[in-house]
Amino acid sequence: SQQGEEDPQALSIQEGENATMNCSYKTSINNLQWYRQNSGRGLVHLILIRSNEREKHSGRLRVTLDTSKKSSSLLITASRAADTASYFCATDRGSTLGRLYFGRGTQLTVWP
Amino acid sequence: DAGITQSPRYKITETGRQVTLMCHQTWSHSYMFWYRQDLGHGLRLIYYSAAADITDKGEVPDGYVVSRSKTENFPLTLESATRSQTSVYFCASSDILPGQGRNTEAFFGQGTRLTVV
Repeated sequence: SQQGEEDPQALSIQEGENATMNCSYKTSINNLQWYRQNSGRGLVHLILIRSNEREKHSGRLRVTLDTSKKSSSLLITASRAADTASYFCATDRGSTLGRLYFGRGTQLTVWP
Repeated sequence: DAGITQSPRYKITETGRQVTLMCHQTWSHSYMFWYRQDLGHGLRLIYYSAAADITDKGEVPDGYVVSRSKTENFPLTLESATRSQTSVYFCASSDILPGQGRNTEAFFGQGTRLTVV
């Protein structure tokens, strides 16, 4: 069964707006990762946040993690049409080294 | 070329045929994975391998076979293809950070779109 579940399933915004995607998971984790997938391509790693971290930044990306609520959010600021893609969160389960459990993803569309 | 490559990119096969999807990585990563991606299901793990000659089942292993005789290769074989195996297949690799007991990020291939008719 999948570990992460993204919300919303689809998000449509205008260029310049911020996009927020959420991820909920069920079990304890060592870290949580966010990936991006452009149409017809493989997944590309965006950012990793460890279970003892609460917030992390990378360029226009901001990731938060709330282990008490078993949830994470990915914020893309000042979005661009090129940000149009599917975004996935992935978690481990602590004891299962190596495996990643992906959610179904959020499809983000940014209109110019 | 450095990275992780899958072949073929596209494949059409008939029901009942055996088909093998290839995956090759140049980093000597310990871990390799096979996922399938279907609408409404996201990515589901088929099999993974922690090292050469070590493989383990994922969430949806039925109908698939893997092998890993060399660190860099991780082929996935559909023994007798069925229409339900029509999907996009992704291979990925990752490594273990020394002394930290956790994996690096995963690197994905471009995918193989398999159609079983």
